[in-house]
Amino acid sequence: QQQVKQSPQSLIVQKGGISIINCAYENTAFDYFPWYQQFPGKGPALLIAIRPDVSEKKEGRFTISFNKSAKQFSLHIMDSQPGDSATYFCAASSIGNEKLTFGTGTRLTIIP
Amino acid sequence: EAGVAQSPRYKIIEKRQSVAFWCNPISGHATLYWYQQILGQGPKLLIQFQNNGVVDDSQLPKDRFSAERLKGVDSTLKIQPAKLEDSAVYLCASSLDHWSSAGETQYFGPGTRLLVL
Repeated sequence: QQQVKQSPQSLIVQKGGISIINCAYENTAFDYFPWYQQFPGKGPALLIAIRPDVSEKKEGRFTISFNKSAKQFSLHIMDSQPGDSATYFCAASSIGNEKLTFGTGTRLTIIP
Repeated sequence: EAGVAQSPRYKIIEKRQSVAFWCNPISGHATLYWYQQILGQGPKLLIQFQNNGVVDDSQLPKDRFSAERLKGVDSTLKIQPAKLEDSAVYLCASSLDHWSSAGETQYFGPGTRLLVL
């Protein structure tokens, strides 16, 4: 019940296209859903996060869509750039327990 | 502001040897985390400290792993004896406080890549 399932495992998108990564969770106590970006040799860095009281959050080219009833959330990267090539992790935690449960990661490659 | 510092960056040891990793969190951050990231997987929390007290160590293999955070600042993670399956990246992260409101951002260090032969 603590798992966060992430797909796809890898994704190749053309420059300028839209990258979409999906996550699903089981634990209804989760109420904080961040996305982390990780470049090779670096630690993960927070990209964007959402709480379930909103269905969408946008920051620049990055948007989280959240579907509480389906227990799913997704990351959309608009106008994808080669610099976006990285591994993306979704995660979840709950109030009173900020322990993050991470998905398995998506390796995104943006090709020219 | 300076980020989370970790050392060493790389370590190669033989099985049954011991190894220690060091972490210096962002100044003023009360909460410190150690994660294990196996190749191709997401980070898995090993232990969480609030100042110098342990908040969660439920996934720490206590027969071989130990961690301490003296004076509520720096932390060390030790493995003794190491097994082949301990090969992974060990990430340290810190956050400002123990659960404020909408989720406290965790800041990660670059990690220590451990290879056990």
